[in-house]
Amino acid sequence: DIQMTQSPSSLSASVGDRVTITCRASQNINSYLNWYQQKPGKAPKFLIYAASTLQSGVPSRFSGGGSGTDFTLTISSLQPEDFATYYCQHTHSSPYTFGQGTKLDIK
Amino acid sequence: EVQLLQSGGGLGQPGGSLRLSCEASGFTFSTYAMTWVRQAPGKGLEWVSTISGTGSSTYYADSVKGRFTISRDNSKNTLYLQMNSLRAEDTAVYYCAKDTAGIFPLGMDVWGNGTTVTVSS
Repeated sequence: DIQMTQSPSSLSASVGDRVTITCRASQNINSYLNWYQQKPGKAPKFLIYAASTLQSGVPSRFSGGGSGTDFTLTISSLQPEDFATYYCQHTHSSPYTFGQGTKLDIK
Repeated sequence: EVQLLQSGGGLGQPGGSLRLSCEASGFTFSTYAMTWVRQAPGKGLEWVSTISGTGSSTYYADSVKGRFTISRDNSKNTLYLQMNSLRAEDTAVYYCAKDTAGIFPLGMDVWGNGTTVTVSS
């Protein structure tokens, strides 16, 4: 099974900061990597698919990169509504595991 | 409007059974794979199971394989998760989600609001 490891597990930042979250797969998953945002008590929101393609309606300050085993989610200029928990998930082969999550909070 | 309306869940006994339902509207249900994802209290997201649009292919996490069964009725636009041999560690909020693809999952773009399952005697 493919394991997904996110870093950091938590991150404090300020409005306007640029932040990057990393997701590492235990084996090559090509570009079968998605990113989700979840706020407390809410369902996850789909942000990025195929490692770098922005889902419709997602602000352009979000971007994704990487392929193979190493991936990134970057928020170019943090907005108040971006403070949330972020998860990566691979869809290379079953089981389609998530990373453990990165909680982004306000410094 | 694309929507997923979840029902079922509640309190289940250890070793018992529960069935979750997820009724879809606003899109051609049979075209898309569907997935169940759960989240234990205070924990991260856990992928549980996926079914292809036709229902011919199913995939399960090791933690539920042999105990849970995913199915769909495309005539009723409804997804199901039959949960048997329940364990305390199955306690979680369960989300159903629509995939962007029809056969193999590629990414979940529409989510239900979640339903709580509590396993306790």
